[in-house]
Amino acid sequence: AQKITQTQPGMFVQEKEAVTLDCTYDTSDQSYGLFWYKQPSSGEMIFLIYQGSYDEQNATEGRYSLNFQKARKSANLVISASQLGDSAMYFCAMREGTGGGNKLTFGTGTQLKVEL
Amino acid sequence: GAVVSQHPSWVICKSGTSVKIECRSLDFQATTMFWYRQFPKQSLMLMATSNEGSKATYEQGVEKDKFLINHASLTLSTLTVTSAHPEDSSFYICSARVNSGREGDEQFFGPGTRLTVL
Repeated sequence: AQKITQTQPGMFVQEKEAVTLDCTYDTSDQSYGLFWYKQPSSGEMIFLIYQGSYDEQNATEGRYSLNFQKARKSANLVISASQLGDSAMYFCAMREGTGGGNKLTFGTGTQLKVEL
Repeated sequence: GAVVSQHPSWVICKSGTSVKIECRSLDFQATTMFWYRQFPKQSLMLMATSNEGSKATYEQGVEKDKFLINHASLTLSTLTVTSAHPEDSSFYICSARVNSGREGDEQFFGPGTRLTVL
């Protein structure tokens, strides 16, 4: 079974609008972390936001927020006030267990295109 | 912030040759580095975890003898693709474990190396 599922291969959004990128995960661990990364066409991976499994509040980082629904095992990324520079590939990832030494498992990604 | 570099950024080689890719942590020490492989329009797949001073831990299905990983110092890990073939053409990305102080920002990624095998 896939550990991280991103069902939207591509998304379009108009500039200044909000967009939600879906991510569901599968784990039997009680302690885990969920991440979102942005990958522009240049290829570098840019860390956006993190949610720990024990965090009760949804994570927020500027225009990014993570809609964490633990019972549904979903961790959707919400980008508010989209900008042209947000056009990129977005990956959801999970780290099972604690500590940065544990490996990340990535989803298949969502290609976001922001239009005028 | 922490910076991870990769060299070369792109390489083209003939089938049957070996290619070495370097991953360096520029302003911090990294006891653990990770090597990923990404095919066009696809996800990052972890190949191996590299620990300084010990043997790398390879993911299932990754050939140890083909993808040689050496983490000889706290700032350098290398991936050597031996006897490269066209199917090894891919984007290779390394990351280094780091304590950035920012929750969740625990792996710093290099810019990637695009390998094309002719």
